[in-house]
Amino acid sequence: GAGVSQSPSNKVTEKGKDVELRCDPISGHTALYWYRQSLGQGLEFLIYFQGNSAPDKSGLPSDRFSAERTGGSVSTLTIQRTQQEDSAVYLCASSLEGRFHYGYTFGSGTRLTVV
Amino acid sequence: DAKTTQPTSMDCAEGRAANLPCNHSTISGNEYVYWYRQIHSQGPQYIIHGLKNNETNEMASLIITEDRKSSTLILPHATLRDTAVYYCIVRPMTTDSWGKLQFGAGTQVVVTP
Repeated sequence: GAGVSQSPSNKVTEKGKDVELRCDPISGHTALYWYRQSLGQGLEFLIYFQGNSAPDKSGLPSDRFSAERTGGSVSTLTIQRTQQEDSAVYLCASSLEGRFHYGYTFGSGTRLTVV
Repeated sequence: DAKTTQPTSMDCAEGRAANLPCNHSTISGNEYVYWYRQIHSQGPQYIIHGLKNNETNEMASLIITEDRKSSTLILPHATLRDTAVYYCIVRPMTTDSWGKLQFGAGTQVVVTP
């Protein structure tokens, strides 16, 4: 597609339930990020997939969070046993990275509300 | 561990140039300076990046000091649609591997009529 697509755009879930957030990056993009942004706050790095390298998971806040990227394309962020503090906008971004790089394209995000 | 320092906020008159400063006094030789912006309720948007030379594209110009310890993003003719939070980020590259992109608090720019 023309841009980074995230689904769902909005998700309301009950505390304790698991959720899956999906990111479809731009075709051919080798790098993919997940960030989250709480209301009125800055972007918090979660995880970074770069080509075939092992992902940088250093930003995942707890072991309830996990992410995978299948076939170097679609990525899924899973949050298990959701808590109210997980409520935020989850943003995905992709880029074609190499020696020359021209910036990341971000999706519109998934707004997660845990009630 | 903040690698960049930006003013919290700044105002700019519509039609005037907006000059956004950023200090990165601890920048390393392999770190690039990136600028992104985030308009309210949207995902961040890439603006420009550079290593040591000044850069210009259709959106903005990036002026990096000779010692690379600071830079300025210039929006040549600000419009109301340029109202956004502007993020200055330093990002390392080693051989062909890029470091992660980490956002700070940014500068809230308000363009006024």
